[in-house]
Amino acid sequence: SQELEQSPQSLIVQEGKNLTINCTSSKTLYGLYWYKQKYGEGLIFLMMLQKGGEEKSHEKITAKLDEKKQQSSLHITASQPSHAGIYLCGADDSGGSNYKLTFGKGTLLTVNP
Amino acid sequence: GAVVSQHPSRVICKSGTSVKIECRSLDFQATTMFWYRQFPKKSLMLMATSNEGSKATYEQGVEKDKFLINHASLTLSTLTVTSAHPEDSSFYICSARSIQGNSPLHFGNGTRLTVT
Repeated sequence: SQELEQSPQSLIVQEGKNLTINCTSSKTLYGLYWYKQKYGEGLIFLMMLQKGGEEKSHEKITAKLDEKKQQSSLHITASQPSHAGIYLCGADDSGGSNYKLTFGKGTLLTVNP
Repeated sequence: GAVVSQHPSRVICKSGTSVKIECRSLDFQATTMFWYRQFPKKSLMLMATSNEGSKATYEQGVEKDKFLINHASLTLSTLTVTSAHPEDSSFYICSARSIQGNSPLHFGNGTRLTVT
C-alpha cells in the first residue's frame, strides 16, 4: 500500500503569512486528495488532483501535483485563523480505480491572530 | 455538496456491551462506504470497506467478528462494535463516494467512542 509522508508535522504561522504543506508518496500517485479536519470532527474535502502537473485553487488554497506524480503541495496564501486545523493528504491506493484512500499523518496548522 | 451523516457523534458504553454507529449518505447513493479509525496524533486507519448488498472487506488485522458491518441500502452502512473493551475507545469515521462519476470521498463527522 501507499505510504504518505507529510511535512511539516506541525506549523505555527502569523495571520497573513503564506505557508506550504508537502505530501510525498513512496509510489506513483493515481489520485491525491487534500482534506482539512478540525480536532474531533470529520474531514472536509478540499481538492482532488489526478494528472501530473495539475494545479487547483479554491479561495486562498492552491494544491499542486508534480509531473512525476509522487509529490503534492498545498499552499495557503495570506493565512487566516479560519485556516487552522489538521491538513491530511490521501492517496488512491487502488491503482487508479478511485477505490479507497490511504492517508498521511497530517499537518497541524495553527494561525495566530 | 455531498453530505454524509454519522450518528451518534459521541457514545459512552460499558465494557462487554455493543455499540452501533450509523453512516448515511444524505443526498447521493453510495455502493461503497469506508470505515476508518483514528488514534490521537495518528493518521486515519482504514478498517473495512462496506459493500452494498454483500459482505464487507476487512483490512489486515481488523477482526470482522469484532467490528460487524452491514450495508443494507445504497444510503446506509452501520458499524457495530461488539463486546466493547476500553482499547476499542477511539474516533471512528465513515466515508462514502457517490456512484456517479469521478467523485471524491466525503466523510461523516465521526463518532467518539469511550468504553468504560
